[in-house]
Amino acid sequence: DAGVTQSPTHLIKTRGQQVTLRCSPKSGHDTVSWYQQALGQGPQFIFQYYEEEERQRGNFPDRFSGHQFPNYSSELNVNALLLGDSALYLCASSLEGYEQYFGPGTRLTVT
Amino acid sequence: AQKITQTQPGMFVQEKEAVTLDCTYDTSDQSYGLFWYKQPSSGEMIFLIYQGSYDEQNATEGRYSLNFQKARKSANLVISASQLGDSAMYFCAMRLQTGANNLFFGTGTRLTVIP
Repeated sequence: DAGVTQSPTHLIKTRGQQVTLRCSPKSGHDTVSWYQQALGQGPQFIFQYYEEEERQRGNFPDRFSGHQFPNYSSELNVNALLLGDSALYLCASSLEGYEQYFGPGTRLTVT
Repeated sequence: AQKITQTQPGMFVQEKEAVTLDCTYDTSDQSYGLFWYKQPSSGEMIFLIYQGSYDEQNATEGRYSLNFQKARKSANLVISASQLGDSAMYFCAMRLQTGANNLFFGTGTRLTVIP
């Protein structure tokens, strides 16, 4: 049984560019949450998707957007990248209301 | 607003000894869950243990136990018989039982197990 997978593993982008990160949830899970973890910090909640709708959003600007597909996989898009967007981006999946399982993360570096 | 506080940036423990990692939380909600996750250098958050706010008994999972003191709003993690593989970052997190089940994390404690 595959766990949560994320791609790519690492990514380097330039300020002002756009990036798309991808997440496949654990089999049987219908909810995907995205977190940003800056260096030396705990993860911060970006948003959560359930039934292809954004259900809740943390304190992140509109430059951060997402999508969930009918197969429950999800994308995180960040526009107009800033240096401060450099972080580990974690995806977590769950069956609605239950424990979240995390993927290995995508490490984004903005130069 | 919800807040998790971990006051120990780093901890050292001798192999085979027990160690306690501190966590305090703040919420006005009555129904919530408390979690501990381990994050090795690979980056993946590994779930260790869960305690519900209405659970009367402290949670235990193998070598991990959660010392839950509701009145003091603390949820300390105790790792018994430390192993070298326990060296990692440890995060305390809280989830409200109402609304979306997103997690609020503390800043973490880096545990180093000394041979």
